[in-house]
Formats: sequence, C-alpha cells, structure tokens
Amino acid sequence: AQSVTQPDIHITVSEGASLELRCNYSYGATPYLFWYVQSPGQGLQLLLKYFSGDTLVQGIKGFEAEFKRSQSSFNLRKPSVHWSDAAEYFCAVVPDNYGQNFVFGPGTRLSVLP
Amino acid sequence: GAGVSQSPSNKVTEKGKDVELRCDPISGHTALYWYRQRLGQGLEFLIYFQGNSAPDKSGLPSDRFSAERTGESVSTLTIQRTQQEDSAVYLCASSSSTGGYGYTFGSGTRLTVV
Repeated sequence: AQSVTQPDIHITVSEGASLELRCNYSYGATPYLFWYVQSPGQGLQLLLKYFSGDTLVQGIKGFEAEFKRSQSSFNLRKPSVHWSDAAEYFCAVVPDNYGQNFVFGPGTRLSVLP
Repeated sequence: GAGVSQSPSNKVTEKGKDVELRCDPISGHTALYWYRQRLGQGLEFLIYFQGNSAPDKSGLPSDRFSAERTGESVSTLTIQRTQQEDSAVYLCASSSSTGGYGYTFGSGTRLTVV
C-alpha cells in the first residue's frame, strides 16, 4: 500500500547534538516531499520542501533534508539541536504532480535534553 | 488575510450536539484542505476543495461529517451528533494550486466532546 513512514516515534537528543529524522515513502513516482514541524499547541509550520533538482534542500531554522530516490527516503537533519527544536515533526508527501492532498507520516516526537 | 484563519480556536461541546468549524483561507488560494489530528497521532485527511470542482470527500469518516465551501472563500466543516471519538484538533490548510505549492496551515480548532 502507498504510505509514508517515520520509523521513529520518539527521539531524544542532547542540546547541541546532531539530529536525523527518518522518512520513507512507498509511491512509485517521485512525489513532492515536505517536512513540517508542530510545536505544542501550535499549528504546522513548513520547514522545507523538495519538488525537483538538487536533492539536498535547505530549510528554515537550520534544517536540511536529502532526497534519496534509491532509498525512497527524505531524511531531515540538523547539525546542532537547540532546546527550542523540541516538537513533533511530520514528513508529508503529495504523491504526484496532480496530487490533491497531502499524505502525512505518523510523526516523530523530538525531545531535547539540556 | 496574511494566513489561514480558523475559528473557534477551542470548542467544547456535549455529546450529541452539532458543531461548525470555520476556515478562512489565504486570499487567492484555490485549494482548501481539512485534516483531523487526534491526540498523539498524525494527520488524517478529511476533505479537499479545488476551486469550483466537486470536492474530494474520500477522507470523511462518516456521514455525520460534511463540509462546504463557496467558490474560493470560507469553508465550514460540520460535525453532526458529535461523539467523544470526534475529539481532536481540526486543521485547515490552503494552497495556491494543486501539488503542494504554497500550502499553509491554520492553527487549528481543538474540539472536545464531553
């Protein structure tokens, strides 16, 4: 079945450590790919998106993500995590150029230790 | 407006009552989406509007749920005879086109059915 998976339900890292959040999708064509962040009690904020071209995309707040077609992955990274990065992170996919809606992964909750 | 506006931000209702949730999209955005997010879970697609086309209602969980949108303006999500399992945050998003360009979320309506 077509889906978006985020294997890690909850990740805890120390402030200043590096971070990688995993995302895999199972659509045949290369979809549009997104990462959203949701802070407690807040709506979703777009971190970055990939449509085509350079497979390493830069986003806001120092985040980046790399699209790897061979692995059907779009992992989110940050070299040095800040306490304010503690939030829920959602990978999302628009399955094709004519996609009508986003398919979201289940989310990964990030906790940051001081 | 500058962003997607949702009202009310919080709604507590008694089981069995009807509720209406409102979404005011970004001006000029032709696409509008409703999602549901239950506590601790990911986003669940409910319904999608694109201009004057027939909406994609494939995500509506039951016939108690309905949504309307007039043209490219405000949308209302109605839940009839609310049940406790309807308790969730209901998120609206709008986009300037299909494919995910300029996809912006509102801050959501937190619905609690008691």
